[in-house]
Amino acid sequence: EAGVAQSPRYKIIEKRQSVAFWCNPISGHATLYWYQQILGQGPKLLIQFQNNGVVDDSQLPKDRFSAERLKGVDSTLKIQPAKLEDSAVYLCASSLAGSHEQYFGPGTRLTVT
Amino acid sequence: AQSVTQPDIHITVSEGASLELRCNYSYGATPYLFWYVQSPGQGLQLLLKYFSGDTLVQGIKGFEAEFKRSQSSFNLRKPSVHWSDAAEYFCAVGPYNQGGKLIFGQGTELSVKP
Repeated sequence: EAGVAQSPRYKIIEKRQSVAFWCNPISGHATLYWYQQILGQGPKLLIQFQNNGVVDDSQLPKDRFSAERLKGVDSTLKIQPAKLEDSAVYLCASSLAGSHEQYFGPGTRLTVT
Repeated sequence: AQSVTQPDIHITVSEGASLELRCNYSYGATPYLFWYVQSPGQGLQLLLKYFSGDTLVQGIKGFEAEFKRSQSSFNLRKPSVHWSDAAEYFCAVGPYNQGGKLIFGQGTELSVKP
């Protein structure tokens, strides 16, 4: 069974530029999560989707971050404009609807200079 | 407030020695508890989980964890550490009655001496 796929794996941008990350969840997984993991910290949820609807985006900085999950499968997370403090690993996870078991992708490491 | 505390940022053990990683949580409802492992450049892999039943749970790679409600703890143990166990370990708590947001601790980095 293929796991959660993410791209790119690494990205370096300058502050005030924009960037987008892509996630393809495990086939059949209705729930998709984006987490931000700052160096030295545990992952923090940014947004949770159930199919193509948003369940929880309470910790998403909506002035600069946006996310969508068109057709309830793939998802993109965008940052515009990026700040230095956005440097982190962005993890995508997916799960079956109602399941507690989340499967994580390898992450995208973003460096903002 | 919901939170997870992992008191040890970094632990070093000798190969073959026993291991215990500490985790304390604060959660307003019945929690669902997890331990994940993260190797460099990799995503998180689930080691084990607990929500009810026997308070000692077995996981993959020879790990186990014990839930102690009175101490709000969920410590991870392994009787004999292998060099390949060197990684970062995260304790997490989530809602009991449905899937949803996990709250993670800050992680414990494990180094293994030969």
